[in-house]
Amino acid sequence: GAGVSQSPSNKVTEKGKDVELRCDPISGHTALYWYRQSLGQGLEFLIYFQGNSAPDKSGLPSDRFSAERTGGSVSTLTIQRTQQEDSAVYLCASSPQPGRDYEQYFGPGTRLTVT
Amino acid sequence: GNSVTQMEGPVTLSEEAFLTINCTYTATGYPSLFWYVQYPGEGLQLLLKATKADDKGSNKGFEATYRKETTSFHLEKGSVQVSDSAVYFCALSNNAGNMLTFGGGTRLMVKP
Repeated sequence: GAGVSQSPSNKVTEKGKDVELRCDPISGHTALYWYRQSLGQGLEFLIYFQGNSAPDKSGLPSDRFSAERTGGSVSTLTIQRTQQEDSAVYLCASSPQPGRDYEQYFGPGTRLTVT
Repeated sequence: GNSVTQMEGPVTLSEEAFLTINCTYTATGYPSLFWYVQYPGEGLQLLLKATKADDKGSNKGFEATYRKETTSFHLEKGSVQVSDSAVYFCALSNNAGNMLTFGGGTRLMVKP
């Protein structure tokens, strides 16, 4: 079946612009995660959605970052007033259920470059 | 907070050599432990996992045992192949399962 998809695959933007990154999880997966992979910081958790519950935003690095998940499916990560340190690969993952034992399935990522 | 430490790479081996990539963790409660692999140009994918102490995860000839007494989850393979060249990430999932905490990744290069 189809895996996690993300769009765009690459995004180049100017400093100060807003960007939106999209994630389509695997159909039927209730849990959705965003991570950031950068050279300096490795793989970092950003935000977690589970069903209709309030998201866990504990990993968002600043208030310029926000995310939403509509209808329990597609998710959008928005970065406002982008900075050069936001350059990274943004990864989305989904899991069939929440819980420590379940595998997270990762998408191919969106490479964001802020010039 | 939770943390994962793994050996820095790159690790360069000849084909058919024995592989060990060390991973240790710090966590509250009873985490699950994972190894993810990222092949060149591809996304992260699960290699193996263990959900409780003394469990052994295995896949594609790779193995790792959940050692609570040493808080470790070392990855091993008896005979590596060129196709195993990739970046390997050790990770843990907290009790709530709301995030993975990753180690810094170890790049493995296998030469023919």
